[in-house]
Amino acid sequence: GAVVSQHPSWVICKSGTSVKIECRSLDFQATTMFWYRQFPKQSLMLMATSNEGSKATYEQGVEKDKFLINHASLTLSTLTVTSAHPEDSSFYICSGGGAADTQYFGPGTRLTVL
Amino acid sequence: QKEVEQDPGPLSVPEGAIVSLNCTYSNSAFQYFMWYRQYSRKGPELLMYTYSSGNKEDGRFTAQVDKSSKYISLFIRDSQPSDSATYLCAMSLTGNQFYFGTGTSLTVIP
Repeated sequence: GAVVSQHPSWVICKSGTSVKIECRSLDFQATTMFWYRQFPKQSLMLMATSNEGSKATYEQGVEKDKFLINHASLTLSTLTVTSAHPEDSSFYICSGGGAADTQYFGPGTRLTVL
Repeated sequence: QKEVEQDPGPLSVPEGAIVSLNCTYSNSAFQYFMWYRQYSRKGPELLMYTYSSGNKEDGRFTAQVDKSSKYISLFIRDSQPSDSATYLCAMSLTGNQFYFGTGTSLTVIP
């Protein structure tokens, strides 16, 4: 199947700093990518839909000014957690591709905010 | 009420057992139903995909969708220790935005 990569795989930062997470589609072009968040022992929760060349759309309850999404090219979407706090510590996963069985997930980025 | 409900387990079975995993959902508009396997600190991997209702079989895995009851199942036959993982059900209206269950942690004991 197609490959989606994420960088970094693990990041630790101090409270109040900003962290950027990259999501790349390595062998396909993605006009749309999705960002999820997974807290320990909880399900993946859709945060936002990243649209190439236009603004992201956010799920209810997700602060768009805190979680900045940029989808500048057909192979790269970035999620920036601004002014991170310990409660933002989570596992962030992106996905891209086509529908259902051709939607591929990245390996995830574990964010720990001290 | 959550969109998707899944018993988190944990579930522990002996090798060779038949495993049954289930999810219920509230949105009758869901059309796409998936089962993913997730290992610790990794992204989910697609196991089974079903569009609309019905059954689908792939090797030792069988997925069932009952839209009238808003209930989906995954059966694993002849379970192996390598099947030990967290299994997530996921559903979608559009085929790309997914609503996930909490995942069921499965351990297959040799």
